[in-house]
Amino acid sequence: GAGVSQSPRYKVAKRGQDVALRCDPISGHVSLFWYQQALGQGPEFLTYFQNEAQLDKSGLPSDRFFAERPEGSVSTLKIQRTQQEDSAVYLCASSLDGSYEQYFGPGTRLTVT
Amino acid sequence: GQNIDQPTEMTATEGAIVQINCTYQTSGFNGLFWYQQHAGEAPTFLSYNVLDGLEEKGRFSSFLSRSKGYSYLLLKELQMKDSASYLCAVRRVTGGGNKLTFGTGTQLKVEL
Repeated sequence: GAGVSQSPRYKVAKRGQDVALRCDPISGHVSLFWYQQALGQGPEFLTYFQNEAQLDKSGLPSDRFFAERPEGSVSTLKIQRTQQEDSAVYLCASSLDGSYEQYFGPGTRLTVT
Repeated sequence: GQNIDQPTEMTATEGAIVQINCTYQTSGFNGLFWYQQHAGEAPTFLSYNVLDGLEEKGRFSSFLSRSKGYSYLLLKELQMKDSASYLCAVRRVTGGGNKLTFGTGTQLKVEL
């Protein structure tokens, strides 16, 4: 069985560009989480979906960040007008439901130049 | 707010035992997780505690004391491949469900 997959694995964007990061969770997993991980730090929560419903977006750092999961499976994290401080690894995780352990994807390393 | 503290780095010898501590302060506590993360890779689940006590899983054990806001991860018979970052994460019940708050991670280096 496939794990969580993310694409692209690496993305270089010029400051001001928009980017879209994709996450394919484990099939059947209801819950999906996005995290941002800066170098040498632990992952920081961005947002959480249960099926297609975005139940918590309290960790999104600004209104330039937007996430969706329209059919309750694949999710996309979009960052508009990227800034240098957005450079980080963006991790996606899924779990059977919110009470089980989370399985992480390999992440997308975003570099904003 | 929440606060999760763990040592930044530790060094141990192959074959030895190492204990990585984690202290936390949080409301709505609903479990503590330990993850292992090798450089450039995704965190992988190691253990989960929600009640006080010790959970053993092969070479890895994890302990929780909710009254003290304290957990540790114990790694026995250390191997070189255990060199990685170990992340302590607290799960909180929030209005929107459960979410994890991670510590900064403890970088473990295993030497010969």
